[in-house]
Amino acid sequence: GIQVEQSPPDLILQEGANSTLRCNFSDSVNNLQWFHQNPWGQLINLFYIPSGTKQNGRLSATTVATERYSLLYISSSQTTDSGVYFCAVWPNFGNEKLTFGTGTRLTIIP
Amino acid sequence: SQTIHQWPATLVQPVGSPLSLECTVEGTSNPNLYWYRQAAGRGLQLLFYSVGIGQISSEVPQNLSASRPQDRQFILSSKKLLLSDSGFYLCAWTATGRGKLFFGSGTQLSVL
Repeated sequence: GIQVEQSPPDLILQEGANSTLRCNFSDSVNNLQWFHQNPWGQLINLFYIPSGTKQNGRLSATTVATERYSLLYISSSQTTDSGVYFCAVWPNFGNEKLTFGTGTRLTIIP
Repeated sequence: SQTIHQWPATLVQPVGSPLSLECTVEGTSNPNLYWYRQAAGRGLQLLFYSVGIGQISSEVPQNLSASRPQDRQFILSSKKLLLSDSGFYLCAWTATGRGKLFFGSGTQLSVL
């Protein structure tokens, strides 16, 4: 099946810093989604981004499907950005399901 | 707007006891429904998914089962819980087969 790798696995930043999280996938995909899991476990869908760039406030995401990667940018980090960020991909072919990466744990220090 | 409800939020059950977790979606029809499990500090594992009433696909052989008695209701069950069933269980839905995925708030299950 498709492989999804995220980097870095852990990231600790000072409040106000910017960060870039990466998601690499091993095969062509129908779509890619980014999620944020807060410290209480709630998973929020941040972006549905099969290709191109989208922005939502301080967050933006870019997917380059032909090169099989996506980037999540967080600017001016706040403590509420802490948590785990997952990317998930839906393969283009076959009967495979949405496949999640192993996540990036982001900790924002005040 | 669409919302997803999942309960209970936390559950502590003895080994060998039964389990029933319920999930309902409002504001949409014929959603695709999913049950995921997340072990502590780990990624998400798909357990079951359903594309319609009575249609259940199992991804991992295990001690659990799922049912979809109504269009917007998805139930995760077990007849006898094992210690290894402990984890964070999440219900989710999409409007279409490969659409945007939305999660419920999750149930933290501890089997003792």
